[in-house]
Amino acid sequence: NAGVTQTPKFQVLKTGQSMTLQCAQDMNHNSMYWYRQDPGMGLRLIYYSASEGTTDKGEVPNGYNVSRLNKREFSLRLESAAPSQTSVYFCASSERDGNTIYFGEGSWLTVV
Amino acid sequence: AQSVAQPEDQVNVAEGNPLTVKCTYSVSGNPYLFWYVQYPNRGLQFLLKYITGDNLVKGSYGFEAEFNKSQTSFHLKKPSALVSDSALYFCAVSRSGGYNKLIFGAGTRLAVHP
Repeated sequence: NAGVTQTPKFQVLKTGQSMTLQCAQDMNHNSMYWYRQDPGMGLRLIYYSASEGTTDKGEVPNGYNVSRLNKREFSLRLESAAPSQTSVYFCASSERDGNTIYFGEGSWLTVV
Repeated sequence: AQSVAQPEDQVNVAEGNPLTVKCTYSVSGNPYLFWYVQYPNRGLQFLLKYITGDNLVKGSYGFEAEFNKSQTSFHLKKPSALVSDSALYFCAVSRSGGYNKLIFGAGTRLAVHP
């Protein structure tokens, strides 16, 4: 069972570069999420998608964009990376919002 | 607004002793409550959840949690800790009804010593 798969696992970017984190789930879930995890701050929601075709801002959306490409895929884009975006990023999905969330393995991003 | 507090950054327990990881929440209406565990360099894994019904919820790996509505708490417990339980534990809350996001606490690191 693949569950939630996100790529890349590790990435180093220079300030100002752009990149896209890819995420796919094979559980036929309706809702998908992008979180970032920083030491001492737990997980903070960046963007979420309640269902295919909809996206909404979470707690910390600035500097990010998302695309819900289809029911399976939800990508996160950094248009102009900043050192403050150095973090571990987790994609997640759930059958619907408020239900149990299942996480990917994480993407470690460093912006220098 | 929803919020979750995990008042302890770290909990230290000797192997074989009972453990408790504390969580309190604030939410309007009835809460959905969750516990997740994170091992080093891994994603979060679901442990257990409370939606409704019995206040004592049993989950994976021998963990359980007790929902206390009057104290707005959902503490995670295990009768006998294992060294392999050492990890980062997150409590999360969502509001029942309608469309509501899951909000996570800051996490508590559990260290079980041999």
